[in-house]
Amino acid sequence: QSALTQPASVSGSPGQSITISCTGTSSDVGSYNLVSWYQQHPGKAPKLMIYEGSKRPSGVSNRFSGSKSGNTASLTISGLQAEDEADYYCCSYAGSSTFETVFGGGTKLTVL
Amino acid sequence: QVQLQESGPGLVKPSQTLSLTCTVSGGSISSGSYYWSWIRQPAGKGLEWIGRIYTSGSTNYNPSLKSRVTISVDTSKNQFSLKLSSVTAADTAVYYCARDLSGAGGGPHFDYWGQGTLVTVSS
Repeated sequence: QSALTQPASVSGSPGQSITISCTGTSSDVGSYNLVSWYQQHPGKAPKLMIYEGSKRPSGVSNRFSGSKSGNTASLTISGLQAEDEADYYCCSYAGSSTFETVFGGGTKLTVL
Repeated sequence: QVQLQESGPGLVKPSQTLSLTCTVSGGSISSGSYYWSWIRQPAGKGLEWIGRIYTSGSTNYNPSLKSRVTISVDTSKNQFSLKLSSVTAADTAVYYCARDLSGAGGGPHFDYWGQGTLVTVSS
């Protein structure tokens, strides 16, 4: 069970848009559009931002959007704000025929 | 509003068993088609899913931990628990419990989390 691959860090200026990638294989990310994304501020529990690839839970800003192409899922944050600075994690099933779950290694977003 | 709270010893000796309990409030652990998961995070590192349980008792574990993990549920107390045996320093982490909406055709996602509890493995 391998972790999904995310860039270690991304950065952007306030108002800009950034995209965080989450690369898996045809057995996990590529099999379904079922990736979820989490935001985690230091010392806090993760917060669900996107589920099932592109759905937003109630209360999550529409500046956050999810998509997928092939074996790579992406989280896009538009209109960057200072409070978006956090760690972001993607999550998927570990394989097409398994219920086991795997997270990405995490991406540190810095708002310049 | 569903709330989850982890509890258990913050210090465990090497080779012993780590035991944590998650108490769910604001709703019955048995209501709805929910699973309940444990997830951990070593200091400065990423999230690692440990395993999940359904209120029927059905479980699903991370293969890398499966031989050492047991997750159980006590619906009468609205709690679920984690036991991790033969711990080493590598098991030192913040442990989170979370409500898990996996299954039912949807992907794995966790909508409510506990605040997390630090467990240190040291003699």
